[in-house]
Amino acid sequence: EAQVTQNPRYLITVTGKKLTVTCSQNMNHEYMSWYRQDPGLGLRQIYYSMNVEVTDKGDVPEGYKVSRKEKRNFPLILESPSPNQTSLYFCASSLFAGSNSPLHFGNGTRLTVT
Amino acid sequence: GQQVMQIPQYQHVQEGEDFTTYCNSSTTLSNIQWYKQRPGGHPVFLIQLVKSGEVKKQKRLTFQFGEAKKNSSLHITATQTTDVGTYFCAGRASGTYKYIFGTGTRLKVLA
Repeated sequence: EAQVTQNPRYLITVTGKKLTVTCSQNMNHEYMSWYRQDPGLGLRQIYYSMNVEVTDKGDVPEGYKVSRKEKRNFPLILESPSPNQTSLYFCASSLFAGSNSPLHFGNGTRLTVT
Repeated sequence: GQQVMQIPQYQHVQEGEDFTTYCNSSTTLSNIQWYKQRPGGHPVFLIQLVKSGEVKKQKRLTFQFGEAKKNSSLHITATQTTDVGTYFCAGRASGTYKYIFGTGTRLKVLA
């Protein structure tokens, strides 16, 4: 089944403890992206990747890192999480960047930083 | 930078009433996509509009793209409880590869 898989679904952590949220897609998509969703703010892009080894900042990249060493994986790294990073995170992929192909979203990761 | 505003933020309707959400972009769009997110779920692609003035229908849902390609709307006729969720538009500005999401409209349908 074609899908985007995110793990974990829920994560509670403390300030400053490094964490990684994994994202994997099995559709051979070139484009992958991370979003955070906050009440009243919609979906805001954190980082995106147009292909392997090509990543770039979105609208809210501060406090996050990503890597794209393989086409299928696009992990989101929080080196030193802070409470303002408490949010619902979505990974998404599409066939190509800038194409008219739709975004496929993972099931989301709800992160709480205390 | 490009902004996409979406109104209303919330809408409560009685089952059987109609519902409309509007998206307005600060820049001309190459295309616009619509997504639906059920409560507790993830956004799911509904449709894409590309041409100026385009109108597309999916059963009770009607999607429109403005003539100037700067605004779009989603209209649901005779809402049902299965329509509950948050509807997002996502616009891609001409000459760019990035989609900007609207803030979403959360729809509640009262049975």
